[in-house]
Amino acid sequence: QKEVEQNSGPLSVPEGAIASLNCTYSDRGSQSFFWYRQYSGKSPELIMSIYSNGDKEDGRFTAQLNKASQYVSLLIRDSQPSDSATYLCAVSTDTGFQKLVFGTGTRLLVSP
Amino acid sequence: GAVVSQHPSWVICKSGTSVKIECRSLDFQATTMFWYRQFPKQSLMLMATSNEGSKATYEQGVEKDKFLINHASLTLSTLTVTSAHPEDSSFYICSARDSNSPLHFGNGTRLTVT
Repeated sequence: QKEVEQNSGPLSVPEGAIASLNCTYSDRGSQSFFWYRQYSGKSPELIMSIYSNGDKEDGRFTAQLNKASQYVSLLIRDSQPSDSATYLCAVSTDTGFQKLVFGTGTRLLVSP
Repeated sequence: GAVVSQHPSWVICKSGTSVKIECRSLDFQATTMFWYRQFPKQSLMLMATSNEGSKATYEQGVEKDKFLINHASLTLSTLTVTSAHPEDSSFYICSARDSNSPLHFGNGTRLTVT
């Protein structure tokens, strides 16, 4: 069983729609959770971080964490073509959230 | 926010040669930096944790004698791929964090070994 699992996609949504990206993790001791966006050939860029159960909103992005079910999700409202990228879920078991385990990423395609 | 600079952004080398990649924290001091590798269509895999002033900690399956890491100052870590082979061709990414933020990544180095 992979430590961090994501559907590879691609997830296709029309412009203006809500994109929902999901991630499950296996280690119940995980403390910190992150979503990174990676454009092709580029380095990952931090989008959201979440540490406690519930929702966390930042602009068009909402991260949701459910530790009991061991899943974390990312919602992107009003999706734009520029949101088309691969979204990586990353999990850390240490409170210093330094050592990250990444999922394989979900490719999102937003069509105009 | 925290800025991590990586150099070079791409490099092509011949099989058997060595390549050095630099990772710098520009506006903060990083006692710990991390080196990741990403093959096409795969996720980032942690190779090693670079600790300032001490030996790096390598992940299982990563050859420490092949991937030499030096973290001589609080703002610089280097990764040297020794005796590179075509299978070492990959995207190498370093990361670091200051005390108040999650990890930020350098822009990565695309290594092609011919």
